[in-house]
Amino acid sequence: GENVEQHPSTLSVQEGDSAVIKCTYSDSASNYFPWYKQELGKGPQLIIDIRSNVGEKKDQRIAVTLNKTAKHFSLHITETQPEDSAVYFCAATDKIIFGKGTRLHILP
Amino acid sequence: DTGVSQNPRHKITKRGQNVTFRCDPISEHNRLYWYRQTLGQGPEFLTYFQNEAQLEKSRLLSDRFSAERPKGSFSTLEIQRTEQGDSAMYLCASSSHSGANVLTFGAGSRLTVL
Repeated sequence: GENVEQHPSTLSVQEGDSAVIKCTYSDSASNYFPWYKQELGKGPQLIIDIRSNVGEKKDQRIAVTLNKTAKHFSLHITETQPEDSAVYFCAATDKIIFGKGTRLHILP
Repeated sequence: DTGVSQNPRHKITKRGQNVTFRCDPISEHNRLYWYRQTLGQGPEFLTYFQNEAQLEKSRLLSDRFSAERPKGSFSTLEIQRTEQGDSAMYLCASSSHSGANVLTFGAGSRLTVL
């Protein structure tokens, strides 16, 4: 079945630096790739998504890139801020199969 | 509309008891999803509904689990004869037909089975 691998599992970056989280997927038919942010005690919230007809999408400090040939996509957060500290999940396909998450720590 | 609402937020029960969780989706959303999330893991798909029809169930959904959405609005997830391994966060999400892939999640119902 569909599998989504995400890494790293934990990432610590200095405030103001950039963070990159990477995911790979197995189903070449996947055509939708969202990223969710989950804060403590809350459900995941969609922060950005990309469909397979584009290679990159940007929304202020957040960007997602997609390489369909290699079946991987990445989340880029620039100028990180303390409120970016959370767990981030990538996902793929119509059934929204999630990766295991990346806990991002923004260091002061 | 205040988003996706889940109740109760926390449930502690003894092994062998039955529990039921309720999800009220965003009113205009016709798709409703249930996920399970354990500590340190991503949400795992359990089942989803389009209106009142349950269109897909994961193999994770054993015979002790049943989900309903009788009128195509709120949904319930029942777990019978709970086991300690059922302890998890149960997340509900909804989406509209036009934005079928864009899920809005509730805050979840945390189950602890003693």
